[in-house]
Amino acid sequence: ETGVTQSPTHLIKTRGQQVTLRCSSQSGHNTVSWYQQALGQGPQFIFQYYREEENGRGNFPPRFSGLQFPNYSSELNVNALELDDSALYLCASSIDRGRLETQYFGPGTRLLVL
Amino acid sequence: GENVEQHPSTLSVQEGDSAVIKCTYSDSASNYFPWYKQELGKGPQLIIDIRSNVGEKKDQRIAVTLNKTAKHFSLHITETQPEDSAVYFCAASSAFNNDMRFGAGTRLTVKP
Repeated sequence: ETGVTQSPTHLIKTRGQQVTLRCSSQSGHNTVSWYQQALGQGPQFIFQYYREEENGRGNFPPRFSGLQFPNYSSELNVNALELDDSALYLCASSIDRGRLETQYFGPGTRLLVL
Repeated sequence: GENVEQHPSTLSVQEGDSAVIKCTYSDSASNYFPWYKQELGKGPQLIIDIRSNVGEKKDQRIAVTLNKTAKHFSLHITETQPEDSAVYFCAASSAFNNDMRFGAGTRLTVKP
């Protein structure tokens, strides 16, 4: 196990609702990245947080937003949920924000939007 | 931006045989290449990674090779075991972006 935890494990929402997902990084890690993994596909980068600031963003609309707290835990918020937002949401922590740093993934939160 | 292609999408081998998964990438600035194993209902688990100053890296039954000229890298698993059955993802990290791009995955089945 990596020491990265996520909550909740599963979630069901309806279209138009808002959702907040949580991630606790591995001890000693100050960087958290969020990914969306649709069924049968590889993870897609949403954004990264380093020391409470956004440090890079993938091709996701502004309704995907995040936070990082002083203890380096993080939240992913998604507003105005759409059916296509149904996916496994993964967070990964790394010891620093460098591009060569190894990322360790949590177990994910499976979101179903009806 | 970076584009990572992975093949095959499915691979079935007999226990004890070797398995090879190949990936290509498009961004010549990419310099970090991890491989992840994902079991059903779990997050991806790092199994091996390689950085661009190294051509090959081995860890017990697992090895990764990197050819920067051809922009491809491969995962080699020897003496496969049923517990190696999972989905394997390659990824590449560009020097100029903070995102890591993943391949579409290879479902490996090791038959006992």
